[in-house]
Amino acid sequence: KQEVTQIPAALSVPEGENLVLNCSFTDSAIYNLQWFRQDPGKGLTSLLLIQSSQREQTSGRLNASLDKSSGRSTLYIAASQPGDSATYLCAVFSGSNYKLTFGKGTLLTVNP
Amino acid sequence: DVKVTQSSRYLVKRTGEKVFLECVQDMDHENMFWYRQDPGLGLRLIYFSYDVKMKEKGDIPEGYSVSREKKERFSLILESASTNQTSMYLCASQGALGEQYFGPGTRLTVT
Repeated sequence: KQEVTQIPAALSVPEGENLVLNCSFTDSAIYNLQWFRQDPGKGLTSLLLIQSSQREQTSGRLNASLDKSSGRSTLYIAASQPGDSATYLCAVFSGSNYKLTFGKGTLLTVNP
Repeated sequence: DVKVTQSSRYLVKRTGEKVFLECVQDMDHENMFWYRQDPGLGLRLIYFSYDVKMKEKGDIPEGYSVSREKKERFSLILESASTNQTSMYLCASQGALGEQYFGPGTRLTVT
């Protein structure tokens, strides 16, 4: 059974700092990995999708990497801003049963 | 852009009531999902559907049923609402690459 772990559970940084969020998964037979952002009381917004054949994806100040063999992904946020404050979730798609398996998220606070 | 909408943002119901939560997507996706999200437990899959009239149980289907009569619409039904079904309910639609798009969520309170 696929399990996804995100470390740390919470992170507080000053504005302008570069930071890394971590995601690990137990079964490396994945089709893709997706990073989401969730603001309090809202739905999930997709940030980046990495296919299993890819090593990384970039969107603006965000860069996500994938090392399938070691079961790890990182989300790098450059020059963090207070507006980046949210919970970040990663999810892996194993494909065989259409299901995404989610981590419990990292709560990020960027202080002005 | 994919758009996933949910019928209500907030809902308050009484114990024993039948509750309908509706989700509509506009991208002709075949796969749709219902999750609930609770503090400390994360997102848990209730049911999913991979085609019209087709459904499969997720991890926590007890107390719920679903309906998919049209491709764009996926409904979650609480047959007899209970207080332990107070939660945030999230609907998602899945694209061809396996990416999921979420609706804004419905916060349901059962009193």
